[in-house]
Amino acid sequence: AQSVTQPDIHITVSEGASLELRCNYSYGATPYLFWYVQSPGQGLQLLLKYFSGDTLVQGIKGFEAEFKRSQSSFNLRKPSVHWSDAAEYFCAVGAQAGTALIFGKGTTLSVSS
Amino acid sequence: GAVVSQHPSRVICKSGTSVKIECRSLDFQATTMFWYRQFPKKSLMLMATSNEGSKATYEQGVEKDKFLINHASLTLSTLTVTSAHPEDSSFYICSARVSGITSYEQYFGPGTRLTVT
Repeated sequence: AQSVTQPDIHITVSEGASLELRCNYSYGATPYLFWYVQSPGQGLQLLLKYFSGDTLVQGIKGFEAEFKRSQSSFNLRKPSVHWSDAAEYFCAVGAQAGTALIFGKGTTLSVSS
Repeated sequence: GAVVSQHPSRVICKSGTSVKIECRSLDFQATTMFWYRQFPKKSLMLMATSNEGSKATYEQGVEKDKFLINHASLTLSTLTVTSAHPEDSSFYICSARVSGITSYEQYFGPGTRLTVT
């Protein structure tokens, strides 16, 4: 069965510092991978997605993620974090077109000044 | 484009009553919509897959008689929580997939906060 693991429950980063949020997936074939961000009490906003091709994917708000098949990972990165980036981040995998996404448990990002 | 709305955004109801949550795709047709439930500080858990014109497919452990799903048109799916109890309090989020396109992408609504008193 497909699964998504986000090993870090909570991360605190200083404003201006770099960020990496980890995501590992379990799926037999090529997965379709997503990163979403959720602000408190809000819905999900898509940051970026990977379907195929270049394994380094650029997203919105200065985020990027790299798909590494050998490590079954899809880590999210940002070179310089802003206070407004504080939120909940979810990694998700889609197994087949048209099926629901499977989400990781999320990582809470706090940004310190 | 590809906007999904939910109504209401927030609802408080008394224990034993029923509440309906609407999920609409505003600028596209959605043959398939999904309903998720999110507990505080938790991930999104898929409740059911809603297919236009047919019965919803529920995930294991989700009571179909309690969470009634109707997908009567290509732009609207509704989730009715029947005989609500405090433990049904949660954040409910829907997503929709664009009809006719083989795509893995889904568009999420802003969520509905349900509080049962």
